[in-house]
Amino acid sequence: QPVLTQPPSVSGASGQRVLISCTGNSSNIGAGYDVQWYQQFPGTAPKLLIYGNVNRPSGVPDRFSGSKSGTSASLAITGLQTDDEADYYCQSHDRSVKGVVFGGGTKLTVL
Amino acid sequence: EVQLVESGGAMVQPGGSLRLSCAASGFTFGNNAMSWVRQAPGKGLEWVSSISGSGATKNYAGSVKGRVTVSRDNSRNTLYLQMNSLRGDDTALYYCATQLGGYLTNWFDPWGQGTLVTVPS
Repeated sequence: QPVLTQPPSVSGASGQRVLISCTGNSSNIGAGYDVQWYQQFPGTAPKLLIYGNVNRPSGVPDRFSGSKSGTSASLAITGLQTDDEADYYCQSHDRSVKGVVFGGGTKLTVL
Repeated sequence: EVQLVESGGAMVQPGGSLRLSCAASGFTFGNNAMSWVRQAPGKGLEWVSSISGSGATKNYAGSVKGRVTVSRDNSRNTLYLQMNSLRGDDTALYYCATQLGGYLTNWFDPWGQGTLVTVPS
């Protein structure tokens, strides 16, 4: 069972905005550890999308944004495109398990 | 160009051993912590192990602790994962990744393409 909780799936119409949530607790996100987000297409390796809660690596469109509050974090994707259909994972650190933890992943469908 | 190339994956019988390798290029390997992350077929990502740039500090997920050893050879720009007492739930695609960040924050970028370990159950 993943330590971080994500919805299994989300969907949105082309051009619209979706939010993917990532819920943790006081041992991980709530303890002050940053949240990262990764995008993964079928058959390919994950790609870093957001690091340090809100930062985008070079080359990631500003349609992708991250936020964090309390024991949760969110990934927002605006102007949805069919190319955004992928699995999205959040990641943080947990002081109880003394290591890196991931969410279970969220499959995004663009209608 | 930064590149990570994993190798060593195979089908191994339960109880067997395997050593995975990850060859790095395009950056100063010894300056970066490295990690292994695995993904079982059709499942999510699971962190396996991390090692500091010098190799002095190593961390393991509870699911593999005692059965897995991470190491690195900075002279060869190569990361290793020695896996022993393999079980069916170790079946996964194993990625190596550069671990960046610091206190309160760490992330993985870039990732290799992965190497497949299969343990029949």
